[in-house]
Amino acid sequence: EDQVTQSPEALRLQEGESSSLNCSYTVSGLRGLFWYRQDPGKGPEFLFTLYSAGEEKEKERLKATLTKKESFLHITAPKPEDSATYLCAVQRPQGAQKLVFGQGTRLTINP
Amino acid sequence: DTAVSQTPKYLVTQMGNDKSIKCEQNLGHDTMYWYKQDSKKFLKIMFSYNNKELIINETVPNRFSPKSPDKAHLNLHINSLELGDSAVYFCASSRKQGTGELFFGEGSRLTVL
Repeated sequence: EDQVTQSPEALRLQEGESSSLNCSYTVSGLRGLFWYRQDPGKGPEFLFTLYSAGEEKEKERLKATLTKKESFLHITAPKPEDSATYLCAVQRPQGAQKLVFGQGTRLTINP
Repeated sequence: DTAVSQTPKYLVTQMGNDKSIKCEQNLGHDTMYWYKQDSKKFLKIMFSYNNKELIINETVPNRFSPKSPDKAHLNLHINSLELGDSAVYFCASSRKQGTGELFFGEGSRLTVL
């Protein structure tokens, strides 16, 4: 069965303190890995898609990377507005291609 | 102008009641979804429709019945509500089937007492 595990569950950083979030996955073939951001009381918002090992995507202070077993979301010099829960999801190439989500990492950036 | 809108945002109801959640998307997307997010924040797919046709039906009790009158709308009706149905239900849409870039609504928080 497909599995996605994110770590840590929660992370507190000071403004400007860079760090990384981890997403480990077990899936029979990977069609794509996706990162989403979810603010409290809101629906998830799409950030990145990664398709193959070695691929990287960047958006402002965020950079997502992918290996054959895990993905990292690197956050550089974060600001308080980066505080959110970050969700990772994987998709198989077969069947209906549903997304399987991890439980998320709750990130808090203190000013 | 909200892209994916769902109503109501909050539902509080008694066990055994029936309730519905409505969802509309104005993005012109072909595919719509219902996801359930439990208290541990796991998002799990329940149903997916592509151009009004059911394409994903996860292991969901028969008490849950989706209905897509057209490709811009996907409603969720729940019969005989149970305590374990308490969760946040998210509607989402995507441009086409098979893409992982989903656009989510703001969620409907269901509390069953």
